Amino acid sequence: GAVVSQHPSRVICKSGTSVKIECRSLDFQATTMFWYRQFPKQSLMLMATSNEGSKATYEQGVEKDKFLINHASLTLSTLTVTSAHPEDSSFYICSAVPSRGPTDTQYFGPGTRLTVL
Amino acid sequence: GENVEQHPSTLSVQEGDSAVIKCTYSDSASNYFPWYKQELGKRPQLIIDIRSNVGEKKDQRIAVTLNKTAKHFSLHITETQPEDSAVYFCAASINAGKSTFGDGTTLTVKP
Repeated sequence: GAVVSQHPSRVICKSGTSVKIECRSLDFQATTMFWYRQFPKQSLMLMATSNEGSKATYEQGVEKDKFLINHASLTLSTLTVTSAHPEDSSFYICSAVPSRGPTDTQYFGPGTRLTVL
Repeated sequence: GENVEQHPSTLSVQEGDSAVIKCTYSDSASNYFPWYKQELGKRPQLIIDIRSNVGEKKDQRIAVTLNKTAKHFSLHITETQPEDSAVYFCAASINAGKSTFGDGTTLTVKP
C-alpha cells in the first residue's frame, strides 16, 4: 500500500517550453502533497505544499507564476514548470500524505528528471 | 523556520562496523524525525522514524535516538553491509508532513 507515482520519469525539453509533471497517490487519498526539487549531490528542497481544492503554499524564493501547482483531486497534483530554462534542470520529487492515519508520514514518488536544453 | 544540520557529510566504514549519523534541529516544536535512504536517481525511502514522545527506536540493525532537550537525533546502523551504501537524510517536521531535510550523508561500506 501507499504507492505514489510520477509521470513522466524523465523529460527533455527546449528552453522556453512548459513541462507538466503529474503526481498520483495510487491506493490512498491525499489532501496534502508536497513538491521538492533536488539538484545533484544536494538535499531535497521543499518548493511548495499542495492542498486539494485550495491554492498551493510556496516556500520563500519559489516563483509561484513559474511553478504552477494544481491539486484538483484527492489523488492527483500537477506541477507545471513554465518557460523552462537550463537552470530549472533538476530532479523533481513529490510526496503525498494520506488523508487518513498519521498526518506526518509522507510517501514519495519516484521522481522526474527534467533536463532543459 | 526550521534548520536541520547533519554530520558527517561523508562516512566510510568497513563492512561489519557500525555507522552513526547525527542531526540537530532548531525548532523545539518539531515532533517527528524520519530518516531516509536514497540511492542514486531513486526516491528517498523511509528507513526509520521517531516521534518526540519516544527517546529511542530500533528496527533490526537500525536504531534512532532522540534528545529533545539538546535538540538532536542520531541514526545508528550496526553490522553494516555493502548494500547499506547510499545517501542518508534526516528530517524534522513541525507541521503535518512538511519536513526540513538535512544536507545528507554519503555512506560507503567497504567490503
